[in-house]
Amino acid sequence: NAGVTQTPKFRILKIGQSMTLQCTQDMNHNYMYWYRQDPGMGLKLIYYSVGAGITDKGEVPNGYNVSRSTTEDFPLRLELAAPSQTSVYFCASSQNTEAFFGQGTRLTVV
Amino acid sequence: QKEVEQNSGPLSVPEGAIASLNCTYSDRGSQSFFWYRQYSGKSPELIMFIYSNGDKEDGRFTAQLNKASQYVSLLIRDSQPSDSATYLCAGLGSSNTGKLIFGQGTTLQVKP
Repeated sequence: NAGVTQTPKFRILKIGQSMTLQCTQDMNHNYMYWYRQDPGMGLKLIYYSVGAGITDKGEVPNGYNVSRSTTEDFPLRLELAAPSQTSVYFCASSQNTEAFFGQGTRLTVV
Repeated sequence: QKEVEQNSGPLSVPEGAIASLNCTYSDRGSQSFFWYRQYSGKSPELIMFIYSNGDKEDGRFTAQLNKASQYVSLLIRDSQPSDSATYLCAGLGSSNTGKLIFGQGTTLQVKP
């Protein structure tokens, strides 16, 4: 099993550009999450989903959008990238117990 | 007020000592709590979870939950240099919302 797969691993984006961070899981988990982690800090919840077609805002949703059309996929969309969105992004999935994390995407906005 | 709070540290302990990591939470409805370990540049990995008041032991690790005080802790006995990492406390929101909130993490340094 691959678990949780995130792409890309690294990306440099110019201010104002848009991009989609991909996340897919093969564990048939209902719950999926997007977090960002700034240097020396914990994980801040951006958006989460409790099942296909259902998404909800987390602690820091501004500047991001998500969709959940299938159980497996939970892409995160950045519109009009800003330097404040420079961070490491983690996708995770769970069945309401242990959350399994992807390897992370290191995003730099310049 | 953050929903889950931790002292960011660093917490420094000598090898072989007990490391005590603490976490408080504000959502009284939260039912389950998790401790994750994160090495620098890596993804978090689960150490333990706890949802009942009291202690839960797994090898060198003991998680403690006090719902009345809204307090969660992790004790690491016989600390090893390989335990040096950031420890993240997380709480799962009430009513099966699925909302999993993390604290800011505590950096632990175990000195040989």
